[in-house]
Amino acid sequence: ETGVTQSPTHLIKTRGQQVTLRCSSQSGHNTVSWYQQALGQGPQFIFQYYREEENGRGNFPPRFSGLQFPNYSSELNVNALELDDSALYLCASSGLGQGYGYTFGSGTRLTVV
Amino acid sequence: DAKTTQPNSMESNEEEPVHLPCNHSTISGTDYIHWYRQLPSQGPEYVIHGLTSNVNNRMASLAIAEDRKSSTLILHRATLRDAAVYYCILRGRLGFGNEKLTFGTGTRLTIIP
Repeated sequence: ETGVTQSPTHLIKTRGQQVTLRCSSQSGHNTVSWYQQALGQGPQFIFQYYREEENGRGNFPPRFSGLQFPNYSSELNVNALELDDSALYLCASSGLGQGYGYTFGSGTRLTVV
Repeated sequence: DAKTTQPNSMESNEEEPVHLPCNHSTISGTDYIHWYRQLPSQGPEYVIHGLTSNVNNRMASLAIAEDRKSSTLILHRATLRDAAVYYCILRGRLGFGNEKLTFGTGTRLTIIP
């Protein structure tokens, strides 16, 4: 198993810019989710993709968008960055069915200045 | 979303068992109980999950109350590497758009040498 890998590990952006974060799912996993974790808080669900379609979304505005590719890798895009978007962004993959646990990556630390 | 309640923090001595409680009184019949832990500067790590019966794996045991309104994560012999924030999470049924993981604030476990 290769696990979940995320890139980049750290990123600094200016307010108003756009950013793309990338995630490679664990081999054999077909569901990918993205989470935002502010400092000192638990991760907050952004959205989930299954078979290249979004099938669940948390309380995040439309400027947070994503893609899942046929090889089950994924992207998180954030437009019009705000200072409050500074956080650790986590990608997690899982097999089909709720009986599976999620495998998380180590995250991308985004700082918006 | 069905919610969980955990103590904010707990301490345990090294090499002793640790019992981490979780209340989930609004759990539905199809929710799985998942436990994750997060070490500093890392993404959450899957620990264990269960539906109705007690579960054991190489990391821990999960004891589920008969009415499923509470559960306990058991670390049989704590080591310093078990110091982390432990999250108890309910995961809904796939395909209903609610299979996301809803993290609370978790329990910060401190291991005393």
